[in-house]
Amino acid sequence: QQQVKQSPQSLIVQKGGISIINCAYENTAFDYFPWYQQFPGKGPALLIAIRPDVSEKKEGRFTISFNKSAKQFSLHIMDSQPGDSATYFCAATSPYGGATNKLIFGTGTLLAVQP
Amino acid sequence: KAGVTQTPRYLIKTRGQQVTLSCSPISGHRSVSWYQQTPGQGLQFLFEYFSETQRNKGNFPGRFSGRQFSNSRSEMNVSTLELGDSALYLCASSLETWGNEQFFGPGTRLTVL
Repeated sequence: QQQVKQSPQSLIVQKGGISIINCAYENTAFDYFPWYQQFPGKGPALLIAIRPDVSEKKEGRFTISFNKSAKQFSLHIMDSQPGDSATYFCAATSPYGGATNKLIFGTGTLLAVQP
Repeated sequence: KAGVTQTPRYLIKTRGQQVTLSCSPISGHRSVSWYQQTPGQGLQFLFEYFSETQRNKGNFPGRFSGRQFSNSRSEMNVSTLELGDSALYLCASSLETWGNEQFFGPGTRLTVL
């Protein structure tokens, strides 16, 4: 119940296209859902995050869509660029059992944007 | 504002040895969390410290331990190293605890031979 399932494992998109990465969770106590971007040799960098009280959040070319009833959320990267090529992780956290920053991560999606 | 710093960046040890990794959070951040990243297991939570107290611990053996100092800097220690401990160890800092933005450092790449 603590898992976050992420798909696809890898994704190839043409420059200018839309990249879509999906995540699903079981634990309804999760209430904070961030997405991280990681380049080789670097630590994950926070891209965008959402809480369950909204269905969508947009920041620049990055959008999170959140479906509370389906327990799913997704990352959309509009106008994908070669510089977006990286590994993307979804994550979730919950205050259940006390305040905590413990993140449960998805397995990651390796995105390659072809020029 | 300086980001999260981790030292050393790379480390090579042999089985049975112990290792200490260090993390300096962003100035003003009081919460520090540690994660282990491996190709097989992905990103896994090790532990979280807030105001020098361990608030949460992941499912790792007791060989993995940590602490936080009064200036919020944190260290993690792994004793009796095993080959499977080879991983990227990441530190993340946050202003407070629960649901706040967490900022990761570049990690320490530990190789156990």
